[in-house]
Amino acid sequence: NAGVTQTPKFQVLKTGQSMTLQCAQDMNHEYMSWYRQDPGMGLRLIHYSVGAGITDQGEVPNGYNVSRSTTEDFPLRLLSAAPSQTSVYFCASSYSPLLSSGNTIYFGEGSWLTVV
Amino acid sequence: GQSLEQPSEVTAVEGAIVQINCTYQTSGFYGLSWYQQHDGGAPTFLSYNGLDGLEETGRFSSFLSRSDSYGYLLLQELQMKDSASYFCAVQAGNTGKLIFGQGTTLQVKP
Repeated sequence: NAGVTQTPKFQVLKTGQSMTLQCAQDMNHEYMSWYRQDPGMGLRLIHYSVGAGITDQGEVPNGYNVSRSTTEDFPLRLLSAAPSQTSVYFCASSYSPLLSSGNTIYFGEGSWLTVV
Repeated sequence: GQSLEQPSEVTAVEGAIVQINCTYQTSGFYGLSWYQQHDGGAPTFLSYNGLDGLEETGRFSSFLSRSDSYGYLLLQELQMKDSASYFCAVQAGNTGKLIFGQGTTLQVKP
């Protein structure tokens, strides 16, 4: 099993450019989410999806779009990159939204994004 | 609003026991979970408490008191590889949203 796979691992963007961070999971998980982590901070939820065709906003959704056309994929789009979006982005998935000892959450390895 | 507080740094020696506390304020509380993150790495799920009490997984245990809005992570028989950041997170609401604390950096010394 590959688990949760994110690409690219590193990216430098110029202000105003757009790009898509890819996330794929092969565990047949219904729940997927995107977080950002700024230096010395915890993770903050950007967007999440409880299943194909369903997405919703998290804590910090502005400047980002998501879609969920398949169970496996959950791409995150930056519409017009700003320096404030310089961060590390983590994609995560779990079988269902509510965690338990039998339903854990798995994170991808992260995508380091710098906006200059 | 929703907030979590945990100590920023903890230092302990190899073989010792360390406790990392987490207090929270949130509405729609469903559970408290803990994560380990090594420098430059992905967060790794450690444990989850949905009900009051202690959950044990090997050298790691986690405790929750919902009436006190308080939990802790207990690490026993510390090893050098346990040096990492540890995050508590509250699951708020039934949509799976996780609200993370700012993390505790654990340094294990020989």
